Amino acid sequence: TQLLEQSPQFLSIQEGENLTVYCNSSSVFSSLQWYRQEPGEGPVLLVTVVTGGEVKKLKRLTFQFGDARKDSSLHITAAQPGDTGLYLCAVELRSNYKLTFGKGTLLTVNP
Amino acid sequence: NAGVTQTPKFQVLKTGQSMTLQCAQDMNHNSMYWYRQDPGMGLRLIYYSASEGTTDKGEVPNGYNVSRLNKREFSLRLESAAPSQTSVYFCASSGLAVQETQYFGPGTRLLVL
Repeated sequence: TQLLEQSPQFLSIQEGENLTVYCNSSSVFSSLQWYRQEPGEGPVLLVTVVTGGEVKKLKRLTFQFGDARKDSSLHITAAQPGDTGLYLCAVELRSNYKLTFGKGTLLTVNP
Repeated sequence: NAGVTQTPKFQVLKTGQSMTLQCAQDMNHNSMYWYRQDPGMGLRLIYYSASEGTTDKGEVPNGYNVSRLNKREFSLRLESAAPSQTSVYFCASSGLAVQETQYFGPGTRLLVL
């Protein structure tokens, strides 16, 4: 069983559309991170959410941590081709500096 | 600052050959990591080094060895490459605090024939 389930696995939309991707688990986490990986590059951290119910905004991206700290969502408003990439959620288990990643959502935004 | 650098960028090996993937960071980070990324499998941790002088196995260590040469450098060695090790390999580094950001290198694309 995968610790972090990300959905959808693939998403292809037109420029200007809104979208939401999800990261779910049956476990409770002290924090959760979202990374974006552009084609041919390594992942880059977008945000860390810590408090249950927390909402963080990064320009057109809105991140929410579930009240029970078991899940998180990423909403993109008016998607642009530059948003194309693999969106990964990750959690740190047992404060041992190791991250466990979900399998990611591969987003394609078509012009 | 260059951040995390990896060499080589691409490599083709024949089954049974050996090679070492190099990684260096200039952010004075204590922790360093090696991941592999395969289609549909996400990022999986191979080995990590919480601090200079220590290394530990991750989720998929079989077939690999690592060396934390100094605080800056962390290498990954394939002693006898197998086709199942065809993958994209990422090195990352982070500071020694909870919820620290991991900074990733650009990756090494390895094909084992």
